[in-house]
Amino acid sequence: QKEVEQDPGPLSVPEGAIVSLNCTYSNSAFQYFMWYRQYSRKGPELLMYTYSSGNKEDGRFTAQVDKSSKYISLFIRDSQPSDSATYLCAMKENYGQNFVFGPGTRLSVLP
Amino acid sequence: ETGVTQTPRHLVMGMTNKKSLKCEQHLGHNAMYWYKQSAKKPLELMFVYNFKEQTENNSVPSRFSPECPNSSHLFLHLHTLQPEDSALYLCASSLGPAGGDSRQYFGPGTRLTVT
Repeated sequence: QKEVEQDPGPLSVPEGAIVSLNCTYSNSAFQYFMWYRQYSRKGPELLMYTYSSGNKEDGRFTAQVDKSSKYISLFIRDSQPSDSATYLCAMKENYGQNFVFGPGTRLSVLP
Repeated sequence: ETGVTQTPRHLVMGMTNKKSLKCEQHLGHNAMYWYKQSAKKPLELMFVYNFKEQTENNSVPSRFSPECPNSSHLFLHLHTLQPEDSALYLCASSLGPAGGDSRQYFGPGTRLTVT
């Protein structure tokens, strides 16, 4: 079993839709959870950063962490064509710097 | 310049060449990282430096040689690479090691092609 699993997509949605992106993981020691957006030929851009379980909202983006299920989600409301990118989840344990990434989900928002 | 910068953005090199990738961070961070990103694979952590000391080497072949002269600059020296080393090489930085703020900020990457 891979340490972090993520549906690679591609996921295509119409403009204005609510998008749900998900990752599952196997290491119960992960405490920090991140979502990155990566446009083609660019480096990943940090979108959301959470510690332990719970929800965090920032504008149109909401991150959810359910540690009991080892499952994290990113919701995008009122999706825009500019949201078309690959979304990477990442996580790490409380100590150390071994960040573990999912393979990414490619999202296309169609106008 | 702001954030994390990388040069060159694109590099084509033969298997017998020697080249270097450069990364600079303008965020006042103390930790810097090299990652390899291959198509349809997760980011692979290669090296970690904290306060310019190497603290992680994830079984990276010796044809990749990192150098960190100070907390703001990171290099990746390349020699006798293989075609399978073709990938996007990403540099990242974060505030510091262990616990605390774990947010990483990435540069735009160097697209490396080995012929």
